Amino acid sequence: AQKVTQAQTEISVVEKEDVTLDCVYETRDTTYYLFWYKQPPSGELVFLIRRNSFDEQNEISGRYSWNFQKSTSSFNFTITASQVVDSAVYFCALRVNTGGFKTIFGAGTRLFVKA
Amino acid sequence: GAGVSQTPSNKVTEKGKYVELRCDPISGHTALYWYRQSLGQGPEFLIYFQGTGAADDSGLPNDRFFAVRPEGSVSTLKIQRTERGDSAVYLCASSFAGGSYEQFFGPGTRLTVL
Repeated sequence: AQKVTQAQTEISVVEKEDVTLDCVYETRDTTYYLFWYKQPPSGELVFLIRRNSFDEQNEISGRYSWNFQKSTSSFNFTITASQVVDSAVYFCALRVNTGGFKTIFGAGTRLFVKA
Repeated sequence: GAGVSQTPSNKVTEKGKYVELRCDPISGHTALYWYRQSLGQGPEFLIYFQGTGAADDSGLPNDRFFAVRPEGSVSTLKIQRTERGDSAVYLCASSFAGGSYEQFFGPGTRLTVL
């Protein structure tokens, strides 16, 4: 069975601080995809990144970076120099290609960035 | 271009009633997904369509839930004999194809069963 765990329910930081959101996943499949989505207060989920299981290179996009470590089954997300507009709920998700086409989401981490 | 749209944005119904929720995917997207999101939780997969057919309906909680996509575009999620536990935000997403393509989500329909 597949599972995604986001152990941090809520995180509160002050603007300009760096913050890391943790994601740990479980799957026995060797081919899988990992995603991060942002859900701002407006409610609409916004895609941030996709990573496949064969590509462990870390990625940086502006103030966002992602650290994928297969050895620890983790796909962590770091926001550098956080801004108030980063306040949202962030979801990590896992999709495998066997046994259906489910995308399994974690419970989310609510990030508060205070001015 | 237009994103995924869902109607209605809010639906209030009474226990035992029938409801239909509509999803208009992004034009050209062959894959369509329905999710349910309860307060404080991540989206929970319900069903996946590839074209007109339901490729994976393993997430539908019981036979009161049914979804169709007759022409491979618009989809309707149908819930019979609604129960209070069905109250949630129902999200629709579409992607260019299945597999690893990113999903684009609609704003959701908030269903409240009284």
